[in-house]
Amino acid sequence: GIQVEQSPPDLILQEGANSTLRCNFSDSVNNLQWFHQNPWGQLINLFYIPSGTKQNGRLSATTVATERYSLLYISSSQTTDSGVYFCAVKGYAGGTSYGKLTFGQGTILTVHP
Amino acid sequence: SAVISQKPSRDICQRGTSLTIQCQVDSQVTMMFWYRQQPGQSLTLIATANQGSEATYESGFVIDKFPISRPNLTFSTLTVSNMSPEDSSIYLCSVSLDRTSSGNTIYFGEGSWLTVV
Repeated sequence: GIQVEQSPPDLILQEGANSTLRCNFSDSVNNLQWFHQNPWGQLINLFYIPSGTKQNGRLSATTVATERYSLLYISSSQTTDSGVYFCAVKGYAGGTSYGKLTFGQGTILTVHP
Repeated sequence: SAVISQKPSRDICQRGTSLTIQCQVDSQVTMMFWYRQQPGQSLTLIATANQGSEATYESGFVIDKFPISRPNLTFSTLTVSNMSPEDSSIYLCSVSLDRTSSGNTIYFGEGSWLTVV
């Protein structure tokens, strides 16, 4: 199946700092999503971004499908940004999606005041 | 988006017992998914539940251990049977909204935290 690697595994920031999280995947995809899991376990969908660039407030994401990676940018970080960020992908080959939505291991982000 | 409610949100269970988790969605959806997240780990898909058919289980998960019901397009249950401490996890229900504007975006319920003692 498709492999998903996220980096860095852990990230500690001071409030106000910017950060970039990376997601590499091993095959072509037609579904890529970024999620934030807060300390209470709730998973929030941030972006559905199989290709291109999207922005939502202080967050933006870029996926370069041909090079098999996606980046999540967090600007002016706040303590409420703390949690785990997951990238999830679904493979695509021969014009058809295959397999399940596969999650990376996540990046644990801690933002200190 | 979709509003997904899970019950219970948290429970402490005795070894050897079974617990049923409920998932209610505020709109009709074709596909519902059940995930497990063990402590400090990523999410692992247990099964896909489509209304009117048997659930499809992923490798390593069996119906006897994790029976699933999908009686209609807004509701599903997952039972964790004969629990052991290794079953202590967050169990998450999710849905796919098959709408062109959002593609196959996945939304999650709040999760059910189970601790087996």
